[in-house]
Amino acid sequence: GDSVTQMEGPVTLSEEAFLTINCTYTATGYPSLFWYVQYPGEGLQLLLKATKADDKGSNKGFEATYRKETTSFHLEKGSVQVSDSAVYFCALSDRARDYGQNFVFGPGTRLSVLP
Amino acid sequence: DVKVTQSSRYLVKRTGEKVFLECVQDMDHENMFWYRQDPGLGLRLIYFSYDVKMKEKGDIPEGYSVSREKKERFSLILESASTNQTSMYLCASSPPPGGNYGYTFGSGTRLTVV
Repeated sequence: GDSVTQMEGPVTLSEEAFLTINCTYTATGYPSLFWYVQYPGEGLQLLLKATKADDKGSNKGFEATYRKETTSFHLEKGSVQVSDSAVYFCALSDRARDYGQNFVFGPGTRLSVLP
Repeated sequence: DVKVTQSSRYLVKRTGEKVFLECVQDMDHENMFWYRQDPGLGLRLIYFSYDVKMKEKGDIPEGYSVSREKKERFSLILESASTNQTSMYLCASSPPPGGNYGYTFGSGTRLTVV
């Protein structure tokens, strides 16, 4: 079945450091890929998405490129801030499903940014 | 913006109580989901619904039931709460699958069973 693997962390960085959170996937079809962010005590929010190969999703300084050849969707940010401290989830959506539940989430990566 | 509203942010219930967690969405989405989130275990799907009065079990349905009498509302029911159901519960909704749509999540309900 479909699956998502991501580095579990925790990842601790200093403010203004470069961030990479790796995400790789296994899918039988041609999925869409997503990154969600969860701030402390909150639900998940959609951060960015990409629906086809070589698409780049971007939002709030974060970027991720859909790489079909390496089945990856790594999240990057050039300069992190303390306010980026959160848990980040990589996810895929199986577009071949006819109805209902079609998302697979990774385990989440906790990021802590120190001032 | 799509909104998914969970009725309570924090709940404390006693062992054996019947507990209702309510979720309402305002964008006419067909699909609704209940997840629980525990440290080290990630998100686990409890139940989902793709239409009114329709429901399907997710990965961990034991000890839970759901109700979807109206399209906008999806309720999670703990028939007899137990301490191992202490967790963060997340509701989500989405339009019909096609893969390009993300899920919209509520803010979560942190349930403590004592």
